[in-house]
Amino acid sequence: SQTIHQWPATLVQPVGSPLSLECTVEGTSNPNLYWYRQAAGRGLQLLFYSVGIGQISSEVPQNLSASRPQDRQFILSSKKLLLSDSGFYLCAWSVGRATNSNQPQHFGDGTRLSIL
Amino acid sequence: AQSVTQLDSHVSVSEGTPVLLRCNYSSSYSPSLFWYVQHPNKGLQLLLKYTSAATLVKGINGFEAEFKKSETSFHLTKPSAHMSDAAEYFCVVSERNKLIFGAGTRLAVHP
Repeated sequence: SQTIHQWPATLVQPVGSPLSLECTVEGTSNPNLYWYRQAAGRGLQLLFYSVGIGQISSEVPQNLSASRPQDRQFILSSKKLLLSDSGFYLCAWSVGRATNSNQPQHFGDGTRLSIL
Repeated sequence: AQSVTQLDSHVSVSEGTPVLLRCNYSSSYSPSLFWYVQHPNKGLQLLLKYTSAATLVKGINGFEAEFKKSETSFHLTKPSAHMSDAAEYFCVVSERNKLIFGAGTRLAVHP
């Protein structure tokens, strides 16, 4: 069966520090991968998605970036964190093939990021 | 563009009573619709999905949803609430491999 792992579960970082959140998927090949942010009491905002290695699409302008160095690895990064980057970050995967819109996404347990 | 409106931000029920969480969507073509549940500090778990097959969709944990094209609705129901159902619920529509999320409905279950 497929599983998705995110780490760390919680993270406290000072303003201006770098960030690296990692997400890996097991039990499937060529997944579509996604990064979301969920601000307190709000819905999910899609940040990035990827349909293959090295292929990243950005949904909103911001100081975050994403990379996909391997088929089942998705990394969310920042060179300098802002206070507004605080939130709950969720990684998700779905069955690959960019044109297949019927597939649900499956989420990791998230990373709670607090910026001080 | 597709969109989703969850009509109630909070719903409170007593244990053992029915649950109704309302969702309306707008779509220019036949949509794929999902309901997800999120417990505190956890990721989202898929409850059920509609993909143009049967209009009444059964999901996990006793939940089901009915797709009504004439009303552009996809309401989530459960006959009898359990304390463990207390969580946030998201109605979601799929567009070109991206998910469009509603704002969420927080369900409280009282003994």
